[in-house]
Amino acid sequence: KAGVTQTPRYLIKTRGQQVTLSCSPISGHRSVSWYQQTPGQGLQFLFEYFSETQRNKGNFPGRFSGRQFSNSRSEMNVSTLELGDSALYLCASSPGSRGNTGELFFGEGSRLTVL
Amino acid sequence: DQQVKQNSPSLSVQEGRISILNCDYTNSMFDYFLWYKKYPAEGPTFLISISSIKDKNEDGRFTVFLNKSAKHLSLHIVPSQPGDSAVYFCAAREKGSNYKLTFGKGTLLTVNP
Repeated sequence: KAGVTQTPRYLIKTRGQQVTLSCSPISGHRSVSWYQQTPGQGLQFLFEYFSETQRNKGNFPGRFSGRQFSNSRSEMNVSTLELGDSALYLCASSPGSRGNTGELFFGEGSRLTVL
Repeated sequence: DQQVKQNSPSLSVQEGRISILNCDYTNSMFDYFLWYKKYPAEGPTFLISISSIKDKNEDGRFTVFLNKSAKHLSLHIVPSQPGDSAVYFCAAREKGSNYKLTFGKGTLLTVNP
């Protein structure tokens, strides 16, 4: 069974630009979550999508947005990039069923560098 | 305000001995606690979890203990192996929040042969 796939793995952008990251979840998983990992803050929750609806959102500015498609694939977008947006962006998928225990299956991440 | 804290940035143990990783939390609404392991250049991998209604969960060499009154949990690895060397993250899930996890900043475990 293929794992969570994230593209691109690495990218470099300049301040003010925007970026779109893509995530393909494990087959059959309907929930997709996004996390930002930085050395200073650790892993921080961005948002979670289930059946194309945003179910939860973290404390990030409106420049961070996401969406989920009918095939459960997800994208996240960051507009007007700032230097502090440099981070590893991790996508995670889960079955999304009721009574879940919060277990996530992570991809390898997209490493964004903002210059 | 850090709701989940891992106060030890690093831990070094000898192969075959016990590794104990600690985690403290402040939010009484957390209903599940999870441990993840992360190798460099890879995403975190789920290790073990525990419900807030339990005080112990065991899976092979890994055991998680939960002390609700102290708002403290710990992960025990026995015996430790060099392949266990990784960053370990403690995470907690607030009841009803599905996959919105709050993570600690991680502890780098090094197991020396």
